[in-house]
Amino acid sequence: AQKVTQAQTEISVVEKEDVTLDCVYETRDTTYYLFWYKQPPSGELVFLIRRNSFDEQNEISGRYSWNFQKSTSSFNFTITASQVVDSAVYFCALRENTGNQFYFGTGTSLTVIP
Amino acid sequence: EAGVTQSPTHLIKTRGQQATLRCSPISGHTSVYWYQQALGLGLQFLLWYDEGEERNRGNFPPRFSGRQFPNYSSELNVNALELEDSALYLCASSLVESEETQYFGPGTRLLVL
Repeated sequence: AQKVTQAQTEISVVEKEDVTLDCVYETRDTTYYLFWYKQPPSGELVFLIRRNSFDEQNEISGRYSWNFQKSTSSFNFTITASQVVDSAVYFCALRENTGNQFYFGTGTSLTVIP
Repeated sequence: EAGVTQSPTHLIKTRGQQATLRCSPISGHTSVYWYQQALGLGLQFLLWYDEGEERNRGNFPPRFSGRQFPNYSSELNVNALELEDSALYLCASSLVESEETQYFGPGTRLLVL
């Protein structure tokens, strides 16, 4: 079974629209860590955010915000007022406290149309 | 501070040959991870090295191997290349603690003809 599910394969939005990327995870650990990465066309994964399982406070960083809900095992990512430079593939990842492996979702390809 | 570096950026090989990919972690990081990202697919975990030892490997055949050197840099070797090995190979490094973030290099694009 997939530990991290990103059900949205591709999303297209018009510039300045808001967009939410969904991430659902599965783990039996009580301590775990969730991540979002951005992969622009150049290929390098850029770290965006890390949350630990004990911190459910939502976070905002500029136009980016993250909604962590343990009750639904979700860690969704919202981009407000999207820009063309936001076009990329976005990956959600889970790292459990047991073992040291990252589990990546299959990614959501976001295209922002000018 | 320098990020994770990988070399070469591109590599073209023919079927049956061997490929060697290199990775230098961020200074102070002891863990190095290798991932394969085939075209249109997500990241598949290959190998994890820490303190010179292989700690974990993904579901890949033994012809995928590697090592970590005393300076924590790492090599990924792929023997008997097959066409389906064509992919972007990403290296990441982190501190060893489980909560630590992995930081990625720019990747090596391997093309097998």
